[in-house]
Order: sequence, then C-alpha cells, then structure tokens
Amino acid sequence: EPEVTQTPSHQVTQMGQEVILRCVPISNHLYFYWYRQILGQKVEFLVSFYNNEISEKSEIFDDQFSVERPDGSNFTLKIRSTKLEDSAMYFCASSEPAPRQYFGPGTRLTVT
Amino acid sequence: DQQVKQNSPSLSVQEGRISILNCDYTNSMFDYFLWYKKYPAEGPTFLISISSIKDKNEDGRFTVFLNKSAKHLSLHIVPSQPGDSAVYFCAATTWEGGSEKLVFGKGTKLTVNP
Repeated sequence: EPEVTQTPSHQVTQMGQEVILRCVPISNHLYFYWYRQILGQKVEFLVSFYNNEISEKSEIFDDQFSVERPDGSNFTLKIRSTKLEDSAMYFCASSEPAPRQYFGPGTRLTVT
Repeated sequence: DQQVKQNSPSLSVQEGRISILNCDYTNSMFDYFLWYKKYPAEGPTFLISISSIKDKNEDGRFTVFLNKSAKHLSLHIVPSQPGDSAVYFCAATTWEGGSEKLVFGKGTKLTVNP
C-alpha cells in the first residue's frame, strides 16, 4: 500500500530557532494535512491544504506556522520561532476526495 | 471542547475474547466516523469507518456500530489477538467532499493478553 513519508523522524532544536518538517504525501492524493500530538494528549488538527492554498486552519496554527508545497511531491510545515510548547509529534496526512486520511509516521520535535 | 470523547483510557482483554471500544460525540453535524490504530513511534493507521447513514459496518474481525440518537459508536474486535494491542483513536468529520479535518478522541489503549 502507498505510504506517506516524513523526515526527519526526530528533530531537536533550540527555542527561537526555525524548523522545517518535511512530508511526501501519496502521489495521487490532492488533499494534505498537518496534525500534532503533544505527549499524552489527543491528535489535534493544525491545517489542511488543497490546490496550493490553505483550506482550513486551527487556532493553534498562528503566524509562526506556515505550509508550502514547493514542488510536485513535498509538503512542508515551517515553524518560524519555536517555543517549548511546540514540542510534540507532528503528523502529515494526505487523502483523495474521501474522508479517509493516510498518516505518515510522524516527526518528533523537541524544543529545548 | 471535547467533541469526540473516549472515556476509557485503557482496556485489557484476554486473547480470543471480544474487545469493545467506545466513543461518544457531541457535534450532531458529524457525518462520518473512523477508527485508527496507533502503535508507539508510528502514525495512526486506518482501521474501519462508517457513514452516518449506516448503523453497522463490518470488516473481518472488526465491526463498528453507530447509534446516532445516542451519539455513540463502538468498535468490536472478535476474536482479539495480541497483535491488536495498540492505542485506538475514534475520529469524526463533517465530510463535504474536500479537505475536511478529522476530530480525534484521546484514545483507548488496548492490551490483549495471551
């Protein structure tokens, strides 16, 4: 079965630094998403992306966050100035025009 | 605002027996429900789903039941196997054909003992 891939698997960064989390969605999917899961809490929606623009974003997705599809295969999440509370697992997902979303393995972001 | 609730953080069952995982929701606009399974250090993996126009969907050992009037759904695993041990997330969406978000519950950790 096709898979969503994410790199890196683990990113350690200092507070205030910029990080870019990368994702390669499933190739024929049109809809892309980022979610995060803070340790011990539920998976939370951050943003959805379609046709090269944001479809919906949550209140978590403030001006420090941005998403981009720089080419035909990658989908990135940038955090401009990381805070301690940004430490979490970040999951990329993609979907066809269907409710089922396919998730990547996640990137564990640790902000020190 | 917990729109999707999984009130049991953990469940332990014996191999071969039935596992029943429960989920409640508050938003009556939700019209599609999904169950995902998650192993440590992996992303959520889709298990089974159900549309709000149905009350049951079955796939092998997994069956999901939906009670719209009670805003409740449950996942039945029969027979349970040790490999089923994972965290199970209930998710819901108001799917309109595009990129609608999934709203997740907090998850239930299932342990199936040999």
